[in-house]
Amino acid sequence: AQSVTQPDIHITVSEGASLELRCNYSYGATPYLFWYVQSPGQGLQLLLKYFSGDTLVQGIKGFEAEFKRSQSSFNLRKPSVHWSDAAEYFCAVGAHNNDMRFGAGTRLTVKP
Amino acid sequence: EPEVTQTPSHQVTQMGQEVILRCVPISNHLYFYWYRQILGQKVEFLVSFYNNEISEKSEIFDDQFSVERPDGSNFTLKIRSTKLEDSAMYFCASRRQGMNTEAFFGQGTRLTVV
Repeated sequence: AQSVTQPDIHITVSEGASLELRCNYSYGATPYLFWYVQSPGQGLQLLLKYFSGDTLVQGIKGFEAEFKRSQSSFNLRKPSVHWSDAAEYFCAVGAHNNDMRFGAGTRLTVKP
Repeated sequence: EPEVTQTPSHQVTQMGQEVILRCVPISNHLYFYWYRQILGQKVEFLVSFYNNEISEKSEIFDDQFSVERPDGSNFTLKIRSTKLEDSAMYFCASRRQGMNTEAFFGQGTRLTVV
């Protein structure tokens, strides 16, 4: 069965600083990987996804993520964080992109 | 842009009562899901549904839960006898057929059991 670990429960960065949110997965086959963002009281918005091919994927809002099979990781990055990026971020892994398993989430706080 | 819609946005129910959460998936989607998120916790998979039957369910999805697609457009989650610990945000999601397709989530229904 697939599983996801997000080691950082809470991260604080200054506006304009770079960001990296960590995600490690466990799955026996080639995973389908996702990053979702959730603003307070809102639903889940897909930031980006990896199915196959180029291991560096670009998403919305200036986010990107890199799939590293050797490290079982799919870290999310952004070169310059904006105050509006403050939210909860969830990494998820899917088996043949069916029934995803989510990580516990990382709450991002952006300091002015 | 098509979206998954969920009703109601917030439901309060008495412990022991039955509750039905409703979802209208995107019209050409064929895979349907329910997830739940207890306040402050991770999003947990409940069940997936395809071709009018459950394709997979988690250990959370016990006999108190059921899903149905009653009329070809709605997708419902029923909790037969609610418990306090069923209080959570419930998300519906749908996905179209084919490989390399992602699920789209609704805005969720916040269920409060009192």
